[in-house]
Amino acid sequence: EIVLTQSPATLSLSPGERATLSCRASQSVSNYLAWYQQKPGQAPRLLIYDASSRATGIPARFSGSGSGTDFTLTISSLEPEDFAVYHCQQRSNWPLTFGGGTKVEIK
Amino acid sequence: EVQLVESGGGLVQPGGSLRLSCAASGFILSDFYMNWVRQAPGKGLEWISHITTGSNNIYYADSVKGRFTISRDDAKNLLYLQMSSLRAEDTAVYYCVRSDWLYWGQGTLVTVSS
Repeated sequence: EIVLTQSPATLSLSPGERATLSCRASQSVSNYLAWYQQKPGQAPRLLIYDASSRATGIPARFSGSGSGTDFTLTISSLEPEDFAVYHCQQRSNWPLTFGGGTKVEIK
Repeated sequence: EVQLVESGGGLVQPGGSLRLSCAASGFILSDFYMNWVRQAPGKGLEWISHITTGSNNIYYADSVKGRFTISRDDAKNLLYLQMSSLRAEDTAVYYCVRSDWLYWGQGTLVTVSS
């Protein structure tokens, strides 16, 4: 099973700041890595798929990069609605796995 | 509009069974692979099962293999998750998810407790 490790667990930032979230895989997942945003009481929302492709309707301030084992989600300038939990997911191998999540909170 | 609506959650005793349903609308269910994902209270996401079109291939997480069964009725636009031998650690919100991962249901809460 591929283990995804997200860091940091919590990121405390102010609106307008840049957020950099990391997801590291225990073995290569090529570019089969996705990112989701989840707000309290809501289902996750797909942000990025195939490591760097933005899903439909996702603002350009969200970008993904990386391949192999190291991936990054960057939010260039945090908007108030961006404070949430972010999950990464690999779709390279069965079983599909998710990381433990990174909470982006208001500083 | 694409919609996925889960139902069937509730309180069940350890060792008991429950069947979740996911009603699909706004798209042709038979054209898509489908998944179930769960989230324990305050925890991360866990993928638990996948079913291809025509039910030709099915996959399970080790944590539910042998206890849970995924199925689909494309004529009724329904996806199912039959859960048996339930344990306290199965307590979670269960989501059905379309294979493009764009569309998720609102989730249904399963609580396993005596």
